[in-house]
Amino acid sequence: QQQVKQSPQSLIVQKGGISIINCAYENTAFDYFPWYQQFPGKGPALLIAIRPDVSEKKEGRFTISFNKSAKQFSLHIMDSQPGDSATYFCAASMSSSASKIIFGSGTRLSIRP
Amino acid sequence: DSGVTQTPKHLITATGQRVTLRCSPRSGDLSVYWYQQSLDQGLQFLIQYYNGEERAKGNILERFSAQQFPDLHSELNLSSLELGDSALYFCASSALGTVNNEQFFGPGTRLTVL
Repeated sequence: QQQVKQSPQSLIVQKGGISIINCAYENTAFDYFPWYQQFPGKGPALLIAIRPDVSEKKEGRFTISFNKSAKQFSLHIMDSQPGDSATYFCAASMSSSASKIIFGSGTRLSIRP
Repeated sequence: DSGVTQTPKHLITATGQRVTLRCSPRSGDLSVYWYQQSLDQGLQFLIQYYNGEERAKGNILERFSAQQFPDLHSELNLSSLELGDSALYFCASSALGTVNNEQFFGPGTRLTVL
């Protein structure tokens, strides 16, 4: 019940295309869903996050779509650029005092020029 | 640069040994989190400290322990090391006590156990 399943494991997209990464969770107590971006040799960095009271959040070319009933959320990268090539992790956490965060397995995204 | 520093950058040691990883959070952040990243296990939350006290525990082995000092820096101690402990260890910090806010990750310590 604590798992966050992420797909695909790797993704190749042409420059200018749309990159889509999907995540699914089981525990309905999760109430915070961040996406982290990690470049080789660096630590992850928060890209965008959403709470379950909204169905979509957009920041520039990055959009999170959230489907509470299906317990799924996804990251869309519009007009994908070579600089977006990185590993992306979705995550889920609970806002309880004993909170902890569960990460998906990661998606390695490559944008072809 | 996230403002979180970790030392050392690389560590090579032998099975059965003990090592200490150090983390300095961003100025003003009270929470420190430790993560293990390996190829087969992905990014695993280990433990969180908030203002010197343990706040949350994840998949941390009994051979591992951590603490946060009064100056808010944190150390992760790994003992009786096994080959499978080879991984990247990240520290992250945040201003608040819960994980439902942005965490800033350090550059990581790469541990190799031979």
